[in-house]
Amino acid sequence: KAGVTQTPRYLIKTRGQQVTLSCSPISGHRSVSWYQQTPGQGLQFLFEYFSETQRNKGNFPGRFSGRQFSNSRSEMNVSTLELGDSALYLCASRGGGGTEAFFGQGTRLTVV
Amino acid sequence: QKEVEQNSGPLSVPEGAIASLNCTYSDRGSQSFFWYRQYSGKSPELIMFIYSNGDKEDGRFTAQLNKASQYVSLLIRDSQPSDSATYLCAVNDREYGNKLVFGAGTILRVKS
Repeated sequence: KAGVTQTPRYLIKTRGQQVTLSCSPISGHRSVSWYQQTPGQGLQFLFEYFSETQRNKGNFPGRFSGRQFSNSRSEMNVSTLELGDSALYLCASRGGGGTEAFFGQGTRLTVV
Repeated sequence: QKEVEQNSGPLSVPEGAIASLNCTYSDRGSQSFFWYRQYSGKSPELIMFIYSNGDKEDGRFTAQLNKASQYVSLLIRDSQPSDSATYLCAVNDREYGNKLVFGAGTILRVKS
C-alpha cells in the first residue's frame, strides 16, 4: 500500500517568488492536512482539506493557500515568499476523524 | 489556546533500559492521542495512536492514557541506540476535526 507522497522534496526559492507543493494521500484517505515545521515554532497547523473543501485553517497569513482535487491530491501555495517561510512543509493523510494520521516525507523549502 | 506540553530533554537512557516519555494536554475533552518519532531531517513517523484510558502495547512500545489527569505517556522497553530521536506527542483538536496540536517534542538519546 503506497504511503503519502510529497513533491518536490527540496526547493530553493527567492524572496518574493511563489511556490506550489503537492501531496498525494494514502489511497482511500480523503483528509489532507498541511503543517509547517520550523526549529523555533515546532509543528504548526496550516489547513485541512476534506472532499475538496477546506474545513479548518490555522493562524497563517493569506499568502498561504491550498486546494484539494477530486482524487484527494492536495496542493498548497505560498505567494510572495519571505525568508521566514523557510521550513519543512508536511502533509498528513487521514481516513477520517479520530483515526491515525500519516505524514509524507515533507518538502524542505529554503527561501534566499 | 489548546496546548500540549512535553519536556524537551534530552532524556538519556542506557541501552536496554526503559525510556519514559510524558506529555500533558490542556483540553479536557480531547479524545485522540498520538506519538510520533522523528529522526533528524526526516518526517514524523507514527508510533502509537490511543483513544481509550489505560495502556496500549505494540512491540517494545506502550502508550498510557489517563484522561482524568490529562496526560499521556510512552514507554520504550529495551531501548536501542536506533530509538534515539525526537518524540512528538500530538492531540486531536476536537473543535477542528482533524487538526493535530503538537508538543515541542522530547529528544531521546540511548547510549550504548
